[in-house]
Amino acid sequence: GDSVTQMEGPVTLSEEAFLTINCTYTATGYPSLFWYVQYPGEGLQLLLKATKADDKGSNKGFEATYRKETTSFHLEKGSVQVSDSAVYFCALKNFGNEKLTFGTGTRLTIIP
Amino acid sequence: GAGVSQSPSNKVTEKGKDVELRCDPISGHTALYWYRQSLGQGLEFLIYFQGNSAPDKSGLPSDRFSAERTGGSVSTLTIQRTQQEDSAVYLCASSPRPSGGYQETQYFGPGTRLLVL
Repeated sequence: GDSVTQMEGPVTLSEEAFLTINCTYTATGYPSLFWYVQYPGEGLQLLLKATKADDKGSNKGFEATYRKETTSFHLEKGSVQVSDSAVYFCALKNFGNEKLTFGTGTRLTIIP
Repeated sequence: GAGVSQSPSNKVTEKGKDVELRCDPISGHTALYWYRQSLGQGLEFLIYFQGNSAPDKSGLPSDRFSAERTGGSVSTLTIQRTQQEDSAVYLCASSPRPSGGYQETQYFGPGTRLLVL
């Protein structure tokens, strides 16, 4: 079945550091890929998505590129802020299937 | 506009009791989803509704779990004879319509935190 493997956390970085959170997937066919973010005390929010190979999703300074050859969708940000502290989830959705399959989540803490 | 709402926000119950969790999707959204977020299992899909019917119930962990949706809107997730392993955050999401393909975003509610003592 479909699965998502996500970088283990927690991750702690200093403000303005470069961020990478790794995500790889296993799926039949051609899934869509997502990053969701859960800020403290809030619900899950879509951060960005990509629907086909080589697409780049971007939002709020975050980027992720759909790499079919490496089955990856790594999340990156060039300069993180304290407000980026949250739990980040990588997810996929396969064609003809309505459910999202999530990774285990990565807790990110940014220190001033 | 209003997002997905869930009630109660927190529920503490005793083992063996039944609980009902409620989800109000975004107005006009025809697709509704339940997920569970627990420490041991991460985020798991439970069930999907299109209108009032549930084409995919594959994630319900046992026959103690059931869900219904009425009027194409509100959904209730019921857990009978609760067990301690049912303790988790139950998340509801909705989308404008089922995507089949790729484009529809699922919008999540804040969740109901269930603790079974």
